[in-house]
Amino acid sequence: AAGVIQSPRHLIKEKRETATLKCYPIPRHDTVYWYQQGPGQDPQFLISFYEKMQSDKGSIPDRFSAQQFSDYHSELNMSSLELGDSALYFCASSLVVQSSYEQYFGPGTRLTVT
Amino acid sequence: GNSVTQMEGPVTLSEEAFLTINCTYTATGYPSLFWYVQYPGEGLQLLLKATKADDKGSNKGFEATYRKETTSFHLEKGSVQVSDSAVYFCALRGSGGYQKVTFGTGTKLQVIP
Repeated sequence: AAGVIQSPRHLIKEKRETATLKCYPIPRHDTVYWYQQGPGQDPQFLISFYEKMQSDKGSIPDRFSAQQFSDYHSELNMSSLELGDSALYFCASSLVVQSSYEQYFGPGTRLTVT
Repeated sequence: GNSVTQMEGPVTLSEEAFLTINCTYTATGYPSLFWYVQYPGEGLQLLLKATKADDKGSNKGFEATYRKETTSFHLEKGSVQVSDSAVYFCALRGSGGYQKVTFGTGTKLQVIP
């Protein structure tokens, strides 16, 4: 079965650079979620989109922005990168009308800021 | 808001020992409850889930029962293996459409031969 695809899987950037992470949800899923997991920490919710509109917002820095496109894929744009942005970034997708509302997680993008 | 509290690790067990990782939650309404496992350097894998009170989720010998009266979802396994060494996250998802997942802090399990 198709899963959530994230690209790139690994990314190395320098401080003050920008980064773009991409997420391709499971086909027909209408909702995308972004999470950030720092080293040794639990994943923290950043932002979500339902039918291309922002549906919820968590602890996402103002330097980050995200959007969901007409084909339902999503991109997380990160600017003025800081060392503390080094983390594993997960994308998850779900289908709102599905009764279990289960979120399916992608493999993550490991961002290292040097 | 929603929150999840799980027992702190690391937990070190000998192979074939019994495992319990405690998890309690605070949430309004009727959340869905999950256990995720994360192996070193890898992503999150859904281990098991329960969507309503008294449901028992099970997978790969792991079990957890949704206890609404005690707001708990403890993870158990009768006989752990070295390959079970990983970090285990208890999580909940609020009821309703596009609710985010709230994770506990994770419990690192190390199983020694």
